[in-house]
Amino acid sequence: AQSVSQHNHHVILSEAASLELGCNYSYGGTVNLFWYVQYPGQHLQLLLKYFSGDPLVKGIKGFEAEFIKSKFSFNLRKPSVQWSDTAEYFCAVNSGGGADGLTFGKGTHLIIQP
Amino acid sequence: DTAVSQTPKYLVTQMGNDKSIKCEQNLGHDTMYWYKQDSKKFLKIMFSYNNKELIINETVPNRFSPKSPDKAHLNLHINSLELGDSAVYFCASSLPGQGINEQFFGPGTRLTVL
Repeated sequence: AQSVSQHNHHVILSEAASLELGCNYSYGGTVNLFWYVQYPGQHLQLLLKYFSGDPLVKGIKGFEAEFIKSKFSFNLRKPSVQWSDTAEYFCAVNSGGGADGLTFGKGTHLIIQP
Repeated sequence: DTAVSQTPKYLVTQMGNDKSIKCEQNLGHDTMYWYKQDSKKFLKIMFSYNNKELIINETVPNRFSPKSPDKAHLNLHINSLELGDSAVYFCASSLPGQGINEQFFGPGTRLTVL
């Protein structure tokens, strides 16, 4: 069975600080990896995704993530955060085939202080 | 031209009632999903469905049943509602294949059981 661990449940940063949110997954086969963001009171939006190719993927709003297969990790990064990045961030994984649902991590609540 | 839509956005009801949440997607996808987000923001797959298979998360009570009148719709019917069913329910859709199963989420339905 798949599982996803997000190590930071609550993160508080000041504007312009750099961000790295950890994500580790447990699955032995080929995986698709995703980061979603949920702004307060809103639905999930895809930030970025990885399924093959360059392990460094760039997403929307200046976010990027690096897939490190040997570490089963897919950490999310942003060099300089803004107040508007305050949101809940979810790492998710599926096997990519058939009708697989996503397995989500428990989320990281990010607060950016002006 | 909303991609994945859900109705209603809010649903308040009494324990013991039966209710349905509707989901429609206009993306031409052939696979749809229901997720539950609890009060701690944890997201969990409930069902995934395409015209060939229904995959049910074994932890989902059989009071919950997905109903798909056609490929663009996957409704969620809940019998004998309980307090613990209070949550936000998200519908999603995808078109698996070509190596990635990216899912697109609806805006969510906040269900409150009194």
